[in-house]
Amino acid sequence: EVQLLESGGGLVQPGGSLRLSCAASGFTFSRYAMSWVRQPPGKGLEWVSLIYSGGTSTYYADSVKGRFTISRDDSKNTLDLLMNSLRAEDTAVYYCAKGNNEFDSWGQGTLVTVSS
Amino acid sequence: DIVMTQSPDSLAVSLGERATINCKSSQSVLYNSNNLSYLAWYQHKPGQPPKLLIFWASTRDSGVPDRFSGSGSGTDFTLTISSLQAEDVAVYFCQQYYTFPTFGGGTKVEI
Repeated sequence: EVQLLESGGGLVQPGGSLRLSCAASGFTFSRYAMSWVRQPPGKGLEWVSLIYSGGTSTYYADSVKGRFTISRDDSKNTLDLLMNSLRAEDTAVYYCAKGNNEFDSWGQGTLVTVSS
Repeated sequence: DIVMTQSPDSLAVSLGERATINCKSSQSVLYNSNNLSYLAWYQHKPGQPPKLLIFWASTRDSGVPDRFSGSGSGTDFTLTISSLQAEDVAVYFCQQYYTFPTFGGGTKVEI
């Protein structure tokens, strides 16, 4: 059974940084592209970032480009999202999702709140 | 970006009745070389992660009940729940993956 477990969310001040992690199990992690998707309170889903298998190709939504960095450690089956220069509009539940087209498995999500 | 527009925003359906949700993309998500529409549907219940229901516009994911069906091509798509069950109360999202993924605003289905 595929399991994705996010961690690292919390309250951070505007301009601050946070690193999210996603621990994956139940599938051959290294073979799959992985993504981060977020949902601001009361709003719809927004794709944030994607990393292909091998980790050499990464992509970002315009809203986070230059501030967020996605990475993966295939030896530990983990996916990370380093978030810098955080803004109030980055407040959301962040989901780790398997895939780069349709997302066939999702984690439970971790809440990031950016507020002073 | 491809903008995904869902309608209605919410709908109330009696148990056992049909629910129909529409999704329109701002440009075609049909890839002509394989004749596939790059469109997925998800079910999202409070406190749970989204669940993939349909991909390639009409292919049910493994384990999804056959009362859920997807149809459409190009820019216009429909998710149909043929006989609504209590456990189907949720928000439903469409998503295109023709380009970087974008999602519809969601449709809340209630009884």
